[in-house]
Formats: sequence, structure tokens, C-alpha cells
Amino acid sequence: KAGVTQTPRYLIKTRGQQVTLSCSPISGHRSVSWYQQTPGQGLQFLFEYFSETQRNKGNFPGRFSGRQFSNSRSEMNVSTLELGDSALYLCASSLAAGLSSEAFFGQGTRLTVV
Amino acid sequence: DQQVKQNSPSLSVQEGRISILNCDYTNSMFDYFLWYKKYPAEGPTFLISISSIKDKNEDGRFTVFLNKSAKHLSLHIVPSQPGDSAVYFCAASRNEKLTFGTGTRLTIIP
Repeated sequence: KAGVTQTPRYLIKTRGQQVTLSCSPISGHRSVSWYQQTPGQGLQFLFEYFSETQRNKGNFPGRFSGRQFSNSRSEMNVSTLELGDSALYLCASSLAAGLSSEAFFGQGTRLTVV
Repeated sequence: DQQVKQNSPSLSVQEGRISILNCDYTNSMFDYFLWYKKYPAEGPTFLISISSIKDKNEDGRFTVFLNKSAKHLSLHIVPSQPGDSAVYFCAASRNEKLTFGTGTRLTIIP
């Protein structure tokens, strides 16, 4: 069975631009969570979507937003990019919401802001 | 403010010996703890977890210990194998939001 697919794998953007990242969960999984990984901060939780609704949200500014579609695919958008947004963005899918079922991570999208 | 800390960025252990990875946290409201393993160019994979009502959970070669009074979590791997070489992240949950540590790179020396 196919794993979690994130596209694109690599992305270079300039400051002030916006970016959209995509995550296709494992077939049948309805929960998608997004994380930002930076060398100094480790993995930080961005948000969780379940059945097209944002269920949980981390401490990130409003420039970070997301959505989930009826097929459970999720997109994450970052507007007005800053240099500090350069990071590996990981999404994870699970059957159910929260921590009640195991989360499977994608390989991530590495975003570089120049 | 880093609520979950892994103070050792790296650790080297001889094959066959015990690997002990440590994690400290500051928020006493965390109620669930997890360990993830990450290979280069792959996403993290879940290893083992423990609820705050327990002090030990074992799964094969992996055992997680929780000391709530010290706000300390550790992962023991015994015996260590070359395939265990990876970055290990601990994570703590409150209201189902995960907070991760910065990771410890474990290298198993053959």
C-alpha cells in the first residue's frame, strides 16, 4: 500500500512569496497533521485536519494555513515567506484523529527561502 | 522555550551493547510520550509510546521509562544493532498536540 506522499520534495522561494505544499495520506486515512522541522527547534506541530476540519493547531502565525479535501488530501500554505520559514515540512497521516492511531510520516518537502 | 529537550545531539554505542537515549520535559501537563526514529531522507517512524500513568513500557528490544517526578523519559535499546543507527526524537503530548525534542543521532559501531 502506498505511503504518505508529499509534493514537491524540494522548493526554493524568495522572501515575500507564498507557497503551497501538498500531502496525500495513506489510502483510508482521514487525519493529516503537518510539522515543521528546523535544526534548532526540532519538529514543531503546525496543525491537524480530520474530515476536512482543522482539529488542532500549533503556535504558528496566521501566515501558515492549511486545508483538507474530501479525499483527505491536504495542502499547507505559507504566505509572505520569511527566511526563517526555511525548513523541512513533514506531514503525517493516521486512520483516526489525535493519537488514537499510529501516524505515518511522509518524506517531507524541503523549503528554502532566499 | 523548548518544552521537550534532548540534551545529547549524538551518541555512539558498540553493537550488542545497550543504547540509552534521554529526554527531559518541563510541562507537567504532558500526558502521553512517544519515541520516533528517523532515517535520512525518510519521515519519522513511530517506535514506542507510554502513557503518563505508567512508568515503563516494553516492546521487544525497546523499553521506554518514564520518571514523572524528574520529568524525564528514556529509551533503552538492547541489544543495539547496526540498523538502529538513526536520529531518535522523543515527543510529548498535551491535548493531543505533540511537542518534539530536537533529536539524538545514534550511531551503532559494528
